[in-house]
Amino acid sequence: DAEITQSPRHKITETGRQVTLACHQTWNHNNMFWYRQDLGHGLRLIHYSYGVQDTNKGEVSDGYSVSRSNTEDLPLTLESAASSQTSVYFCASSGPGAGATDTQYFGPGTRLTVL
Amino acid sequence: RKEVEQDPGPFNVPEGATVAFNCTYSNSASQSFFWYRQDCRKEPKLLMSVYSSGNEDGRFTAQLNRASQYISLLIRDSKLSDSATYLCVVKVNPGFQKLVFGTGTRLLVSP
Repeated sequence: DAEITQSPRHKITETGRQVTLACHQTWNHNNMFWYRQDLGHGLRLIHYSYGVQDTNKGEVSDGYSVSRSNTEDLPLTLESAASSQTSVYFCASSGPGAGATDTQYFGPGTRLTVL
Repeated sequence: RKEVEQDPGPFNVPEGATVAFNCTYSNSASQSFFWYRQDCRKEPKLLMSVYSSGNEDGRFTAQLNRASQYISLLIRDSKLSDSATYLCVVKVNPGFQKLVFGTGTRLLVSP
């Protein structure tokens, strides 16, 4: 069955370190998204991609970067982790290949703690 | 003003009750509307899309009022398994896949 996975599921890191969160989908979706979820804010879009070599900034992109070298993967990198980036991170995908275009399918999330 | 606003709840209801949630959105150009369900510490999952004519899926009914810019979700005959957070979601720009999420309404169904 097609799916979307994230790794690691939990991560503890120190301030200033570079961290990369992986997202892999087998839906063959063109569109992929990274969100963070914090109490009182709901899901906020960090970066998104509409296809290979395409990346775009979302509403909370400062301190984060992504790259899209193939259809299946959109890794999220925290260049220099800060305590304000402690959050739950969700990856999602949508688009032609499976189901309705507007439906976003979410990965299980990565819980990141920056000490 | 937030683009999508919801009452955070929690709504505490007994099994079998009917409960309704509302959500308001600020951008009158919004194109598509959805309800997602999120269980504690899990990922959001699509519950249903919301159409202008209203739509029903079993015990769940969604309505859209474009004039007043609000969306509603009605759950009939609540089950314990309905306990979750319900996220109101809006797609603002046609042709773009970006979604705007509300902060969610928490529902607790008790025996």
